[in-house]
Amino acid sequence: DTAVSQTPKYLVTQMGNDKSIKCEQNLGHDTMYWYKQDSKKFLKIMFSYNNKELIINETVPNRFSPKSPDKAHLNLHINSLELGDSAVYFCASSPSGVWNTEAFFGQGTRLTVV
Amino acid sequence: GIQVEQSPPDLILQEGANSTLRCNFSDSVNNLQWFHQNPWGQLINLFYIPSGTKQNGRLSATTVATERYSLLYISSSQTTDSGVYFCATVDTSYDKVIFGPGTSLSVIP
Repeated sequence: DTAVSQTPKYLVTQMGNDKSIKCEQNLGHDTMYWYKQDSKKFLKIMFSYNNKELIINETVPNRFSPKSPDKAHLNLHINSLELGDSAVYFCASSPSGVWNTEAFFGQGTRLTVV
Repeated sequence: GIQVEQSPPDLILQEGANSTLRCNFSDSVNNLQWFHQNPWGQLINLFYIPSGTKQNGRLSATTVATERYSLLYISSSQTTDSGVYFCATVDTSYDKVIFGPGTSLSVIP
């Protein structure tokens, strides 16, 4: 059974479009995260939600807006996509805030903006 | 904030060889995790190891928090071990998760 699942796995879109990436976890975890992995494989946290509340918001453009309808879901909506947004985006979850214990990652969404 | 370094940045091994990957952090930490990103991009948890030693099959990890490092040992490497190995910790001063830059491992038959 998939613990943290993201959809879609691949996303190719034109500049200026708006797109969403969905994430769901069935682990009963309280905390969910979004990470961005750039072309050099560097992983950086974007957002963290604990029980549907935003607890970390890194320096991310306002075009990125996370939405957590419940603690099992954390979706990422991106407005006015730019070429530099091309990256792999990972969703993750952990039992409690900011990695007091082990975190689990989704399979990633490869976003390509053309 | 905490800086995380990993060494070596790249490693090529013959199948069957052993290796040690290192993760250094600039301040004491109470949280450390090792991940493997396989060639298909999937991030897989290896160890949650804030201190001490753990073993899982051919892999083991040791963290010495007081000396600010963690080691990942891979024994009898296989081609399926190829990929990038990341360590990550939490900078509690800023409530941030910090990843190291990774060690890219290629195991050749």
